[in-house]
Formats: sequence, structure tokens, C-alpha cells
Amino acid sequence: KQEVTQIPAALSVPEGENLVLNCSFTDSAIYNLQWFRQDPGKGLTSLLLIQSSQREQTSGRLNASLDKSSGRSTLYIAASQPGDSATYLCAVRQREYGNKLVFGAGTILRVKS
Amino acid sequence: KAGVTQTPRYLIKTRGQQVTLSCSPISGHRSVSWYQQTPGQGLQFLFEYFSETQRNKGNFPGRFSGRQFSNSRSEMNVSTLELGDSALYLCASSPAEGSTGELFFGEGSRLTVL
Repeated sequence: KQEVTQIPAALSVPEGENLVLNCSFTDSAIYNLQWFRQDPGKGLTSLLLIQSSQREQTSGRLNASLDKSSGRSTLYIAASQPGDSATYLCAVRQREYGNKLVFGAGTILRVKS
Repeated sequence: KAGVTQTPRYLIKTRGQQVTLSCSPISGHRSVSWYQQTPGQGLQFLFEYFSETQRNKGNFPGRFSGRQFSNSRSEMNVSTLELGDSALYLCASSPAEGSTGELFFGEGSRLTVL
């Protein structure tokens, strides 16, 4: 059974800092991995999608890496801003389960101005 | 292009009642999946529909059911509501079943059971 773990559970940093969020999964036979952002009381906003054959994806100040063999992904946020404050979730998809995502519990990020 | 639309956004029910939630996927998307989010259990997969057929189902009791219509809109129903059903219910759409693309989520329907 696939299990996804995110570390740390919460993180508080001053504005401008670069930071790394970690995601690990127990079954390396994944189809792809997706990072999401969730603001309080809101739905999920897709940030980055990494296919199993890829090593990393970049979008603006965000960079996500994937090491499938070791079951790990990281989300790097450069020059953090107060507007980055949110919960960040990673989720994996396995081919045999269609579009079912298995989520981690998330990292709550607070960027202080 | 409109995103995933979920209605209603908020609702309050009492124990024993039933509720129906609706999800309209992004235009052209044919796969719809549903998730329940609670503080204790996090995000859990309920089921996925593609071409009006349920493709995958999570570990939820039979009180949770869903369906998909020919225009890809989906509804989920929860009967005999329990306090523990209070949650944010999220719907996600994707172009195809088991595709390699992103899943896009709606804003959710927040259900409170009293």
C-alpha cells in the first residue's frame, strides 16, 4: 500500500529565504508526482507535475525534483514571500489505479514579513 | 477556460439526512475523481468516474456513492449522514482516464453535519 510522508509538518521562515519541502513515498512504482498548494478553506492549486521519467520541473521560483528509485521528491522555493504562506501537498499516482492520487499530510508554510 | 466548478460551496445537514454534491469538470475533461479532506485523515480518495463508469473506488462505506452523466458532470451522494462525514469534499478533473496530465481541483464543498 502506497504511503506518502511529508517533512516538516510545519515551517516558519523569514521573507527572502530559500526553502526545501520534502516528500517521500514507499512504493517507487509511480506514474507521476504532483505538488499542490492549498490556501485555508480553499481547493488545491496545482504547482508542478513530474513524470516518473523526469528528474525535475521548474516554474518561476519553484523547482521540484524527483528521485524515483529512492522514493523522494523535494520542492524548492526560492526567495520566499509572505504570499507563499499556505499548505503544500505532494501526491503520487500509480498506473494501475488510474487518476487516483495518494496524498501526503502536507507542510504548513508561514513566511514572515 | 472555466475551471472545475463545485456546488454547493457550503452546506449544513443533520445526522441521518442525505446530501448530493455536484461537480462540473473543465470543458473537454472526461475523468472526474472525488476526495474527502478532514483534519484527522487528510485527503482520501473516494472514487473516479470516466465515461459514466466508476473506474476506481476508495475504502469508504456504501453510504458514499456517485455517478457521472454523459456531459461528464458528476454527482456524489452521501446517505444517512454521520458526524464524521463533516469534511471538505473536493472534485478533480483530468482529460482522460489514467492520463499523464495534471489533475485540476475545484474549490470544494464544505459539509457540516450536526
